Amino acid sequence: NAGVTQTPKFQVLKTGQSMTLQCAQDMNHEYMSWYRQDPGMGLRLIHYSVGAGITDQGEVPNGYNVSRSTTEDFPLRLLSAAPSQTSVYFCASRGLVSTDTQYFGPGTRLTVL
Amino acid sequence: DQQVKQNSPSLSVQEGRISILNCDYTNSMFDYFLWYKKYPAEGPTFLISISSIKDKNEDGRFTVFLNKSAKHLSLHIVPSQPGDSAVYFCAASTQGGSEKLVFGKGTKLTVNP
Repeated sequence: NAGVTQTPKFQVLKTGQSMTLQCAQDMNHEYMSWYRQDPGMGLRLIHYSVGAGITDQGEVPNGYNVSRSTTEDFPLRLLSAAPSQTSVYFCASRGLVSTDTQYFGPGTRLTVL
Repeated sequence: DQQVKQNSPSLSVQEGRISILNCDYTNSMFDYFLWYKKYPAEGPTFLISISSIKDKNEDGRFTVFLNKSAKHLSLHIVPSQPGDSAVYFCAASTQGGSEKLVFGKGTKLTVNP
């Protein structure tokens, strides 16, 4: 198993550009989520999904869109990037049981100029 | 307002000694607590968890203690090893599991040989 994979590893955008951060998992996990980590801060939940076709907002959803068309993939879209979205983004997945371990991907480091 | 607080940004201990990492929380609805370890340029990895119905959980060298009345938990690592050097995040959830985690800012542990 590759676990949770994220692409790209690094990305530089200009203000106003759009892009999609990719996340995929091969563990057949129902639950997937996106977090961002800013310097000196803990991870904050952006959006999450409890299954294909079902998504919901986390703590900091503004400026981000998600969709979940398959169990495996959970892309995060930035429609119009802003410097405040400069951060490291982590995708995570977990099985159906709430106490299952949540597995994190390696992260995408995004810089918005 | 931070709901999960790790007030020590860093901690340095000698190899073989005990490492104690502390975490305080303000939301009395939190009922599941986790510790994650993070190496640079990697995603967080799950370490140990504890449900609010327990006051202690042990896994090898790692023990988590929960004091609900004080809204405080701690992670003990005994004995500490140089490979334990990493950033440790405390996280909490109101959903009885690892959904919608609220993270602290992390404590950087350095274990000196």
